[in-house]
Amino acid sequence: NAGVTQTPKFQVLKTGQSMTLQCAQDMNHEYMSWYRQDPGMGLRLIHYSVGAGITDQGEVPNGYNVSRSTTEDFPLRLLSAAPSQTSVYFCASSFSLRYTEAFFGQGTRLTVV
Amino acid sequence: ILNVEQSPQSLHVQEGDSTNFTCSFPSSNFYALHWYRWETAKSPEALFVMTLNGDEKKKGRISATLNTKEGYSYLYIKGSQPEDSATYLCASYNTDKLIFGTGTRLQVFP
Repeated sequence: NAGVTQTPKFQVLKTGQSMTLQCAQDMNHEYMSWYRQDPGMGLRLIHYSVGAGITDQGEVPNGYNVSRSTTEDFPLRLLSAAPSQTSVYFCASSFSLRYTEAFFGQGTRLTVV
Repeated sequence: ILNVEQSPQSLHVQEGDSTNFTCSFPSSNFYALHWYRWETAKSPEALFVMTLNGDEKKKGRISATLNTKEGYSYLYIKGSQPEDSATYLCASYNTDKLIFGTGTRLQVFP
């Protein structure tokens, strides 16, 4: 099994550009989420989804959109990139966070110049 | 939004020392407490998921306890080894959100 796959691994954007970070999982997990990791701030929840067609906001949702049209995929869209969105982004999935762990992708390092 | 706190922020120990860290979380509407190990340049990997008050879990030299009534969990490492050097994250699961603390960075010196 591939687990949780994120693409790309690295990306440089200019301020104002848009892009989509891809996340796919092959474990048939209902729960998927996006986090950003900044120095000294740990992992902060951006958006999450409890199943296909259902998404909700996390701690830091501004500037990001998500959709969940299939169980497998949970893309994160940056509509108009800003330098404050320079970060490492992690996608995670889980069968049930109440009883089982989250599995993380390998991360996407995004730099906005 | 939940407030999950971890202490200390960082810890330096000698090989063979035992150590422990603390995770504090809101005790109301508690569902589950997660512990993850995060090595530099890698992704977080799960250690434990704990749900019941008084839970104790163990994996090799690492163990954890949970007190849901007072809202804290301890992670213990017995006989630390250099390969234990990592950041240890706890996260509280509540109403569909898994919220992380900022982590405890452990460095074990030979």
